[in-house]
Amino acid sequence: SYVLTQPPSVSVAPGKTARITCGGNNIETRSVHWYQQKPGQAPVLVIYYDSDRPSGIPERFSGSNSGNTATLTISRVEAGDEADYYCQVWDSSSDHRVFGTGTRVAVL
Amino acid sequence: QVQLLQSGAEVKKPGSSVKVSCKASGGTFGRSAISWVRQAPGQGPQWMGGIIPISGTTDYAEQFQGRVTMTADESTRTAYMELSSLRSEDTAVYYCARESSSRGYSYYFDSWGQGTLVTVS
Repeated sequence: SYVLTQPPSVSVAPGKTARITCGGNNIETRSVHWYQQKPGQAPVLVIYYDSDRPSGIPERFSGSNSGNTATLTISRVEAGDEADYYCQVWDSSSDHRVFGTGTRVAVL
Repeated sequence: QVQLLQSGAEVKKPGSSVKVSCKASGGTFGRSAISWVRQAPGQGPQWMGGIIPISGTTDYAEQFQGRVTMTADESTRTAYMELSSLRSEDTAVYYCARESSSRGYSYYFDSWGQGTLVTVS
């Protein structure tokens, strides 16, 4: 099955830029979706189809996908962005949905 | 936007079964798949499978084949997930989530239930 690998943690100072990677074999051929999950809450979709933003998600959240790595970028990081972030793809070969290992973003 | 409301927490004995419900309000129900995703303590989300309510078509992840049954009742706008032969490793928060595919390919989850904690002990 398709595997998505993320760094366990990323630390960033307020006002700076956080970049969270999601590695997968030739991931650029797949659409990547991203979720934010705060403690005790359900995940929330923040980016879909690599770089689209749902309504209500700040423009500070953006995404890209190239080669073997997709990236979620959070600009001008705020304390409220502290959360776990997961990437997700649809594996067309199995018709299954696959989540990444997750990255905890800590705001210093 | 559809809102999903799940049933309450459960405590089950090993070897027993649990059935979690997910009631939709607002938006449409039926043509969009409802997936079930579980999250064990300290772990990431794991897709268990999904159902298209209007047809009853299901797709289960291999890990859960033979132990999970997903059903849906369009008249009450409710989806169900039943997991049998429970073991301690099934202790997790179980979420239902509505799938979308606005470009006609790939799938993502744009609405989630609040989660149901199932404890097997």
